[in-house]
Amino acid sequence: EVQLVESGGGLIQPGGSLRLSCAASGFTFTNYWLHWVRQAPGKGLLWVSGINVDGSETRHADSVTGRFTISRDNTKNTVYLQMDSLRAEDTAVYYCARGGLSVTDVFQRWGQGTLVTVSS
Amino acid sequence: EIVLTQSPATLSLSPGERATLSCRASQTVSSYLAWYQQKPGQAPRLLIYDTSNRATGLPARFSGSGSGTDFTLTISSLEPEDFAIYYCQQRYKWPLSFGGGTEVEIK
Repeated sequence: EVQLVESGGGLIQPGGSLRLSCAASGFTFTNYWLHWVRQAPGKGLLWVSGINVDGSETRHADSVTGRFTISRDNTKNTVYLQMDSLRAEDTAVYYCARGGLSVTDVFQRWGQGTLVTVSS
Repeated sequence: EIVLTQSPATLSLSPGERATLSCRASQTVSSYLAWYQQKPGQAPRLLIYDTSNRATGLPARFSGSGSGTDFTLTISSLEPEDFAIYYCQQRYKWPLSFGGGTEVEIK
């Protein structure tokens, strides 16, 4: 069974840093792009970042470029999102999502999400 | 950035009725449009990718159509479990983007 389990969320002050993790199981991790998608309370979905199978290519939304970094450890089947210079508007549930085997930038499988709250 | 506009914002229908949801792109996305369903407190679920390809196990009452800038998700006969929020998403150009969602609610 495919599983994506996020962790690392919590309450953080504006300007702070947080690292999210997503542990994957039930599939061949090295075959798939991984993404982070967030959802502010009561709002819609926003794609945040994506990373290719070996970590050599990363993409970020304009709103997080220069502040967030996506990475992966293929030996641990884990993808990370390093979030720096956090702002109140970054408050959201952050979902880890797996791409498809051939359609890499649709979100075929999702984790249950981890809540990040940026507030003083 | 490609902006996706979904309409209507809310669709009030009864079980058994047909639902037609629209997604319009600010520029062409070719056929690279997907649809997701999200229920309260749950993660989204992929329904359709590349306009009309159903995800594994998706019931046949869900179908997608369109091309270029105008796309439609149709649910031929609403089941009770179909009342949810639906989002479209384009993968034609980075950054990937979602529409604002259409809520299908019980009338």
